[in-house]
Amino acid sequence: GQQVMQIPQYQHVQEGEDFTTYCNSSTTLSNIQWYKQRPGGHPVFLIQLVKSGEVKKQKRLTFQFGEAKKNSSLHITATQTTDVGTYFCAGPVNYGQNFVFGPGTRLSVLP
Amino acid sequence: DGGITQSPKYLFRKEGQNVTLSCEQNLNHDAMYWYRQDPGQGLRLIYYSQIVNDFQKGDIAEGYSVSREKKESFPLTVTSAQKNPTAFYLCASKDRPGNTIYFGEGSWLTVV
Repeated sequence: GQQVMQIPQYQHVQEGEDFTTYCNSSTTLSNIQWYKQRPGGHPVFLIQLVKSGEVKKQKRLTFQFGEAKKNSSLHITATQTTDVGTYFCAGPVNYGQNFVFGPGTRLSVLP
Repeated sequence: DGGITQSPKYLFRKEGQNVTLSCEQNLNHDAMYWYRQDPGQGLRLIYYSQIVNDFQKGDIAEGYSVSREKKESFPLTVTSAQKNPTAFYLCASKDRPGNTIYFGEGSWLTVV
């Protein structure tokens, strides 16, 4: 079946440093979504990318969808302690009926 | 406020007992999902439902059961057949034409 992988599994950064997590799918995706889960919380939708090569920005967060629509990245510029959490990517399966989530990248930010 | 309500938030269960986790949504979403999350791990799909009175097994359905008698409700029963039920359980929903998944706040189940 379709698999979605993410690297790295963990990332520890000093506050102010940049952070990037990468998402790779075994198959071409019609779209990809990113979610953030704070420690002890539930995943919250961040963004959806649909077009090949698409780049979207949300303040310090930059999301990119690969040209082949099989990979994606999330880059955070100048991390803050509020960025702490696990970032998941997800791709649709079964004609969009459900989604396969990557294992997530857990970000720790040291003040 | 619109959203997904899960209850209870914390639940302790003795081995051999069944337990039912509640999930209610007032978003008028057609699709509903149950995910399991183990500490430090990703999300694994247990069951999902696209419409009332219909549901499908996910990747780890063994030891779980669901029902979808109302559009708003999608309860999950963790049966005694589930070998390692201690986990964080997340209910979610999605509007049919859209792709955004909305999650409830989750239920922590501990087997003692």
